[in-house]
Amino acid sequence: EVQLLESGGGLVQPGGSLRLSCAASGFTFSSYAMTWVRQPPGKGLECVSATSGSGAYTYYADSVKGRFTIYRDSSKKTLYLQMNSLRAEDTAVYYCAKGFDFGDYVADYWGQGTLVTVSS
Amino acid sequence: QLVLTQSPSASASLGASVKLTCTLSSGHSSYAIAWHQQQPEKGPRYLMKLNSDGSHSMGDGIPDRFSGSSSGAERYLTISSLQSQDEADYYCQTWGTASVVFGGGTKLTVL
Repeated sequence: EVQLLESGGGLVQPGGSLRLSCAASGFTFSSYAMTWVRQPPGKGLECVSATSGSGAYTYYADSVKGRFTIYRDSSKKTLYLQMNSLRAEDTAVYYCAKGFDFGDYVADYWGQGTLVTVSS
Repeated sequence: QLVLTQSPSASASLGASVKLTCTLSSGHSSYAIAWHQQQPEKGPRYLMKLNSDGSHSMGDGIPDRFSGSSSGAERYLTISSLQSQDEADYYCQTWGTASVVFGGGTKLTVL
């Protein structure tokens, strides 16, 4: 059974940093693309970052480029999102999602989400 | 630019059928998409991946009341025998060489 468990969310001040983690199980982690998708309160879904199965390819939404870094540790079967220079508009529930294939970023499994609140 | 367009809202009666539409932007009519359901106060749930030829790959445990079809740049999600738990937001998703995009979502109300 595929399971994705996010952690690391919380309250952080503007300009601060946070690192999200997504522990994966139930599939061969290095064989699948992974994505981070966020949802601000009352709004729709936005893919903020994605990485291929090997981690060689990464994607960032313009809204986070230069501030967020996605990376993966295959030995720990864990996906990370390092978030720096956080802004109020980064406040959202952040979901980890498994890609359909090595280089296919369509999500076929989702985590339960972790809430990030950026506020002073 | 890769864009997915969805109507903001739809409604249908209990027990009826409804067809939701996701439209791919010009030049992207061959792209596959995925449909996701998000019930109130819950995380998204993968429903299916839908190819341009109408073939699709269903998510685990998704009832056969949910089906998908394609025509040109349009991708459809049909829900038959509507139940109260089908009241949810429905998002389509795709990806290209430089982007991973979601449609704005359709809020389905079951009357």
